[in-house]
Amino acid sequence: AQSVTQPDIHITVSEGASLELRCNYSYGATPYLFWYVQSPGQGLQLLLKYFSGDTLVQGIKGFEAEFKRSQSSFNLRKPSVHWSDAAEYFCAVGMDSSYKLIFGSGTRLLVRP
Amino acid sequence: NAGVMQNPRHLVRRRGQEARLRCSPMKGHSHVYWYRQLPEEGLKFMVYLQKENIIDESGMPKERFSAEFPKEGPSILRIQQVVRGDSAAYFCASSPARDNSPLHFGNGTRLTVT
Repeated sequence: AQSVTQPDIHITVSEGASLELRCNYSYGATPYLFWYVQSPGQGLQLLLKYFSGDTLVQGIKGFEAEFKRSQSSFNLRKPSVHWSDAAEYFCAVGMDSSYKLIFGSGTRLLVRP
Repeated sequence: NAGVMQNPRHLVRRRGQEARLRCSPMKGHSHVYWYRQLPEEGLKFMVYLQKENIIDESGMPKERFSAEFPKEGPSILRIQQVVRGDSAAYFCASSPARDNSPLHFGNGTRLTVT
Protein backbone atom coordinates (compact mmCIF):
# COMPACT_ATOMS: atom_id res chain seq x y z
CA ALA A 1 0.00 0.00 0.00
CA GLN A 2 1.13 3.55 -0.67
CA SER A 3 2.23 5.31 2.49
CA VAL A 4 4.26 8.19 3.87
CA THR A 5 6.27 7.82 7.05
CA GLN A 6 7.68 10.53 9.26
CA PRO A 7 9.42 8.47 11.92
CA ASP A 8 10.03 11.31 14.38
CA ILE A 9 6.93 12.53 16.21
CA HIS A 10 8.83 15.20 18.15
CA ILE A 11 12.25 16.73 17.64
CA THR A 12 13.91 19.27 19.92
CA VAL A 13 16.92 21.28 18.77
CA SER A 14 18.76 24.27 20.15
CA GLU A 15 18.50 27.57 18.34
CA GLY A 16 21.32 27.83 15.83
CA ALA A 17 21.73 24.08 15.53
CA SER A 18 21.18 22.19 12.30
CA LEU A 19 17.99 20.28 11.60
CA GLU A 20 17.02 17.26 9.57
CA LEU A 21 13.46 15.93 9.41
CA ARG A 22 12.97 12.53 7.84
CA CYS A 23 10.37 11.43 5.35
CA ASN A 24 10.07 8.07 3.61
CA TYR A 25 7.42 6.88 1.21
CA SER A 26 6.43 3.68 -0.49
CA TYR A 27 5.60 3.98 -4.17
CA GLY A 28 6.97 2.34 -7.29
CA ALA A 29 7.52 5.42 -9.41
CA THR A 30 8.80 8.92 -8.75
CA PRO A 31 6.12 10.82 -6.87
CA TYR A 32 5.40 14.50 -6.39
CA LEU A 33 7.03 15.53 -3.09
CA PHE A 34 6.21 18.39 -0.75
CA TRP A 35 7.05 19.76 2.67
CA TYR A 36 4.50 21.93 4.47
CA VAL A 37 4.73 23.72 7.81
CA GLN A 38 1.78 24.31 10.13
CA SER A 39 1.81 26.71 13.05
CA PRO A 40 -0.74 26.13 15.84
CA GLY A 41 -4.25 26.94 14.71
CA GLN A 42 -3.08 27.88 11.25
CA GLY A 43 -3.18 26.43 7.79
CA LEU A 44 -0.33 24.81 5.94
CA GLN A 45 2.37 26.80 4.25
CA LEU A 46 4.32 25.26 1.41
CA LEU A 47 8.06 25.15 2.16
CA LEU A 48 9.24 23.43 -1.00
CA LYS A 49 8.34 20.90 -3.65
CA TYR A 50 9.97 18.38 -5.97
CA PHE A 51 8.43 17.37 -9.27
CA SER A 52 11.47 16.48 -11.38
CA GLY A 53 15.01 17.58 -12.19
CA ASP A 54 17.65 18.51 -9.65
CA THR A 55 17.16 16.31 -6.60
CA LEU A 56 18.27 19.03 -4.17
CA VAL A 57 15.55 21.65 -3.90
CA GLN A 58 15.64 24.98 -2.13
CA GLY A 59 12.63 26.36 -0.35
CA ILE A 60 11.56 29.33 1.68
CA LYS A 61 12.91 30.30 5.10
CA GLY A 62 16.29 28.71 4.41
CA PHE A 63 14.98 25.15 4.11
CA GLU A 64 16.15 22.60 1.58
CA ALA A 65 15.27 18.97 0.85
CA GLU A 66 16.93 16.17 -1.06
CA PHE A 67 15.12 13.49 -3.02
CA LYS A 68 16.92 10.15 -2.85
CA ARG A 69 15.27 7.67 -5.15
CA SER A 70 17.28 4.70 -3.90
CA GLN A 71 16.11 5.33 -0.34
CA SER A 72 12.59 6.54 -1.19
CA SER A 73 13.28 9.53 0.99
CA PHE A 74 12.76 13.27 0.91
CA ASN A 75 14.41 14.65 4.05
CA LEU A 76 14.09 18.31 5.03
CA ARG A 77 17.13 20.20 6.27
CA LYS A 78 18.06 23.58 7.65
CA PRO A 79 21.62 24.52 8.62
CA SER A 80 20.69 26.87 11.48
CA VAL A 81 17.32 26.78 13.20
CA HIS A 82 15.58 29.92 14.46
CA TRP A 83 13.10 30.03 17.34
CA SER A 84 10.37 30.99 14.85
CA ASP A 85 10.80 27.62 13.12
CA ALA A 86 9.01 25.89 15.99
CA ALA A 87 5.94 24.34 14.35
CA GLU A 88 4.66 21.07 12.93
CA TYR A 89 6.14 19.86 9.68
CA PHE A 90 4.34 17.62 7.24
CA CYS A 91 5.79 15.66 4.39
CA ALA A 92 3.26 15.05 1.61
CA VAL A 93 3.48 12.82 -1.42
CA GLY A 94 1.40 12.75 -4.58
CA MET A 95 1.57 9.28 -6.04
CA ASP A 96 -0.52 9.62 -9.19
CA SER A 97 -1.18 13.34 -9.16
CA SER A 98 0.02 16.56 -7.60
CA TYR A 99 -3.34 17.22 -5.92
CA LYS A 100 -4.30 13.96 -4.18
CA LEU A 101 -1.64 14.06 -1.52
CA ILE A 102 -0.86 11.52 1.14
CA PHE A 103 0.40 13.27 4.25
CA GLY A 104 2.71 11.91 6.88
CA SER A 105 1.59 12.16 10.48
CA GLY A 106 3.84 15.14 11.08
CA THR A 107 6.92 16.03 13.13
CA ARG A 108 6.57 18.62 15.85
CA LEU A 109 9.70 20.77 16.13
CA LEU A 110 10.57 22.42 19.43
CA VAL A 111 13.41 24.95 19.56
CA ARG A 112 15.41 25.47 22.74
CA PRO A 113 16.63 29.03 23.32
CA ASN B 1 -2.87 39.54 -1.86
CA ALA B 2 -5.57 37.36 -0.36
CA GLY B 3 -4.82 33.70 -0.02
CA VAL B 4 -7.36 30.91 0.29
CA MET B 5 -10.16 32.19 2.51
CA GLN B 6 -12.16 29.84 4.67
CA ASN B 7 -15.04 30.61 6.98
CA PRO B 8 -16.01 30.22 9.63
CA ARG B 9 -12.73 29.59 11.47
CA HIS B 10 -14.56 27.71 14.20
CA LEU B 11 -17.92 25.98 14.02
CA VAL B 12 -19.78 24.22 16.80
CA ARG B 13 -22.70 21.96 15.99
CA ARG B 14 -24.82 19.58 18.02
CA ARG B 15 -25.21 16.02 16.85
CA GLY B 16 -27.76 15.80 14.06
CA GLN B 17 -27.32 19.37 12.83
CA GLU B 18 -25.89 20.42 9.49
CA ALA B 19 -22.48 22.03 9.02
CA ARG B 20 -21.63 24.27 6.07
CA LEU B 21 -18.01 25.19 5.44
CA ARG B 22 -17.08 27.80 2.86
CA CYS B 23 -13.95 28.30 0.82
CA SER B 24 -12.92 31.02 -1.61
CA PRO B 25 -9.85 30.08 -3.65
CA MET B 26 -6.91 32.33 -4.35
CA LYS B 27 -7.40 34.83 -7.12
CA GLY B 28 -6.76 33.16 -10.46
CA HIS B 29 -7.22 29.64 -9.09
CA SER B 30 -10.07 27.57 -10.48
CA HIS B 31 -9.25 24.24 -8.83
CA VAL B 32 -10.43 23.61 -5.27
CA TYR B 33 -9.65 20.72 -2.95
CA TRP B 34 -10.95 19.77 0.49
CA TYR B 35 -8.89 17.90 3.05
CA ARG B 36 -9.73 16.76 6.57
CA GLN B 37 -7.34 16.61 9.51
CA LEU B 38 -8.34 14.48 12.44
CA PRO B 39 -6.65 15.20 15.80
CA GLU B 40 -2.98 14.20 15.87
CA GLU B 41 -3.06 13.08 12.23
CA GLY B 42 -2.00 14.36 8.86
CA LEU B 43 -4.44 15.69 6.30
CA LYS B 44 -6.52 13.33 4.20
CA PHE B 45 -7.86 14.15 0.74
CA MET B 46 -11.62 14.37 0.39
CA VAL B 47 -12.65 15.93 -2.91
CA TYR B 48 -11.44 17.94 -5.91
CA LEU B 49 -13.71 20.39 -7.70
CA GLN B 50 -13.64 22.82 -10.56
CA LYS B 51 -16.36 25.32 -11.26
CA GLU B 52 -19.68 23.44 -11.33
CA ASN B 53 -17.94 20.07 -11.54
CA ILE B 54 -16.80 17.42 -9.09
CA ILE B 55 -13.63 15.97 -10.59
CA ASP B 56 -12.55 13.48 -7.93
CA GLU B 57 -14.55 12.58 -4.84
CA SER B 58 -12.71 9.38 -4.02
CA GLY B 59 -11.96 10.55 -0.48
CA MET B 60 -15.45 11.64 0.46
CA PRO B 61 -17.46 9.56 2.92
CA LYS B 62 -20.32 7.92 1.06
CA GLU B 63 -23.05 9.39 3.22
CA ARG B 64 -23.86 12.79 4.72
CA PHE B 65 -20.98 14.63 3.00
CA SER B 66 -21.33 16.68 -0.17
CA ALA B 67 -19.37 19.42 -1.89
CA GLU B 68 -20.06 21.97 -4.56
CA PHE B 69 -18.26 24.78 -6.33
CA PRO B 70 -20.91 26.87 -8.10
CA LYS B 71 -20.32 29.17 -11.01
CA GLU B 72 -20.60 32.14 -8.68
CA GLY B 73 -19.52 32.16 -5.06
CA PRO B 74 -17.38 30.01 -2.81
CA SER B 75 -17.01 26.29 -2.66
CA ILE B 76 -19.18 24.69 0.02
CA LEU B 77 -18.52 21.50 1.98
CA ARG B 78 -21.76 20.32 3.57
CA ILE B 79 -22.02 17.75 6.32
CA GLN B 80 -25.53 16.64 7.17
CA GLN B 81 -26.57 15.10 10.49
CA VAL B 82 -23.15 15.58 12.05
CA VAL B 83 -21.77 13.04 14.49
CA ARG B 84 -18.96 13.37 17.04
CA GLY B 85 -16.55 11.63 14.67
CA ASP B 86 -16.91 14.52 12.23
CA SER B 87 -15.05 16.79 14.66
CA ALA B 88 -11.91 17.77 12.81
CA ALA B 89 -10.16 20.58 11.01
CA TYR B 90 -11.30 20.93 7.41
CA PHE B 91 -8.86 22.56 5.05
CA CYS B 92 -9.50 23.93 1.63
CA ALA B 93 -6.74 24.33 -0.92
CA SER B 94 -6.61 25.78 -4.40
CA SER B 95 -4.31 25.71 -7.39
CA PRO B 96 -4.20 27.41 -10.79
CA ALA B 97 -4.04 24.11 -12.67
CA ARG B 98 -4.68 20.45 -12.03
CA ASP B 99 -1.22 19.04 -12.68
CA ASN B 100 2.22 20.15 -11.59
CA SER B 101 0.80 22.87 -9.36
CA PRO B 102 1.35 22.90 -5.61
CA LEU B 103 -1.67 23.33 -3.39
CA HIS B 104 -2.15 26.52 -1.41
CA PHE B 105 -4.06 25.90 1.79
CA GLY B 106 -6.41 28.08 3.80
CA ASN B 107 -6.33 28.35 7.59
CA GLY B 108 -9.04 25.76 7.97
CA THR B 109 -12.40 25.45 9.71
CA ARG B 110 -12.34 23.67 13.03
CA LEU B 111 -15.60 21.79 13.48
CA THR B 112 -16.61 20.64 16.93
CA VAL B 113 -19.62 18.39 17.31
CA THR B 114 -21.11 18.32 20.80
